[in-house]
Amino acid sequence: NAGVTQTPKFQVLKTGQSMTLQCAQDMNHEYMSWYRQDPGMGLRLIHYSVGAGITDQGEVPNGYNVSRSTTEDFPLRLLSAAPSQTSVYFCASSKRMNTEAFFGQGTRLTVV
Amino acid sequence: QQQVKQSPQSLIVQKGGISIINCAYENTAFDYFPWYQQFPGKGPALLIAIRPDVSEKKEGRFTISFNKSAKQFSLHIMDSQPGDSATYFCAASSTNAGGTSYGKLTFGQGTILTVHP
Repeated sequence: NAGVTQTPKFQVLKTGQSMTLQCAQDMNHEYMSWYRQDPGMGLRLIHYSVGAGITDQGEVPNGYNVSRSTTEDFPLRLLSAAPSQTSVYFCASSKRMNTEAFFGQGTRLTVV
Repeated sequence: QQQVKQSPQSLIVQKGGISIINCAYENTAFDYFPWYQQFPGKGPALLIAIRPDVSEKKEGRFTISFNKSAKQFSLHIMDSQPGDSATYFCAASSTNAGGTSYGKLTFGQGTILTVHP
């Protein structure tokens, strides 16, 4: 009963490096999203997808790319890491919009 | 601009007491209001949710109260237990497919709840 799986759990990047945060769900959910969590700011939506091949921007999309080629996977790409992207990143999925969101365990990213 | 404001930032309650967390929103298009609970090192998990056709929803020891005219909603935890110690987030989104807030959860800043035994 995996649910939403995120990898890696921890990552340290140097400024300017790129990387991909992986997210996979096994619940056949249509809706997937990425959030970043920063102290005192709650969770902020980065990008979301309502189905394979369909993505859109959230509240804080700059510096991040996403794609959704399959229902199961929704990777988040950091194009050129900056210290301001140091955060905890959460992937979530739900059956449809405005239904219960299931979150992964998070990826703690540090950019130095 | 923080569209959902949550208070207090932290809350300490004795075992058996009532924990109250408040949220206020600005966007009148919001009509779905979930609360999420997060334990350290874990992702948030849905606790309870309400839609504005009711003013109150209760699930066990957890109750959401909703005041549409004031654009406020709150979480009450009755008979608080040490196991309730966690961070709580309120959130809001719109179910109107034609709106810009459709399906996009906007979270409050979070409240760290500590329940002392």
